[in-house]
Amino acid sequence: AQSVTQPDIHITVSEGASLELRCNYSYGATPYLFWYVQSPGQGLQLLLKYFSGDTLVQGIKGFEAEFKRSQSSFNLRKPSVHWSDAAEYFCAVGLRAGSYQLTFGKGTKLSVIP
Amino acid sequence: EAQVTQNPRYLITVTGKKLTVTCSQNMNHEYMSWYRQDPGLGLRQIYYSMNVEVTDKGDVPEGYKVSRKEKRNFPLILESPSPNQTSLYFCASSWVAGGPYEQYFGPGTRLTVT
Repeated sequence: AQSVTQPDIHITVSEGASLELRCNYSYGATPYLFWYVQSPGQGLQLLLKYFSGDTLVQGIKGFEAEFKRSQSSFNLRKPSVHWSDAAEYFCAVGLRAGSYQLTFGKGTKLSVIP
Repeated sequence: EAQVTQNPRYLITVTGKKLTVTCSQNMNHEYMSWYRQDPGLGLRQIYYSMNVEVTDKGDVPEGYKVSRKEKRNFPLILESPSPNQTSLYFCASSWVAGGPYEQYFGPGTRLTVT
């Protein structure tokens, strides 16, 4: 069965610093990959997705993610964090064919120090 | 505006009192799903539906029921709620053909069972 691991439960960064949130998946083939953000008291919003092609994908709010097949990873990055980026971030994986379900990681909570 | 709506947003109830949480989407999506979110556990899928009259169990279906009589609606039913069903519930929807695709989430329903 596929699984998604987000190794960092909680990360704290200073405003203006760079950010990288890690995501590793376990699956035999390359799945569909997603990053979602959940602001306090809100639902989940899609940040970006990878289906195929260029392994560096751009998303909303200045985020990007890089798919590395050799490492089974899809890490989320942002060059300069803003206080409004404080939220919980979820990586999700979907199989390429035959299933429409997404498997979510347990999330990484981001705190931003002014 | 494309959206997934849930009602109610907040609900406090007592053990054993049947309740229904409604979910509706206006994007003509075939796929709809219910998740529960608990601290440290991330999102876990309860039930999903590929289309009208087609539903299936997710990872944690015990104690829940669903129905899909119309394409836009996917209510979650707790026939005899228990305190361990206290959680934050999300409904989501997506297209199916050629998927999996990103899922669109509702704002969440916070349920407390005393």
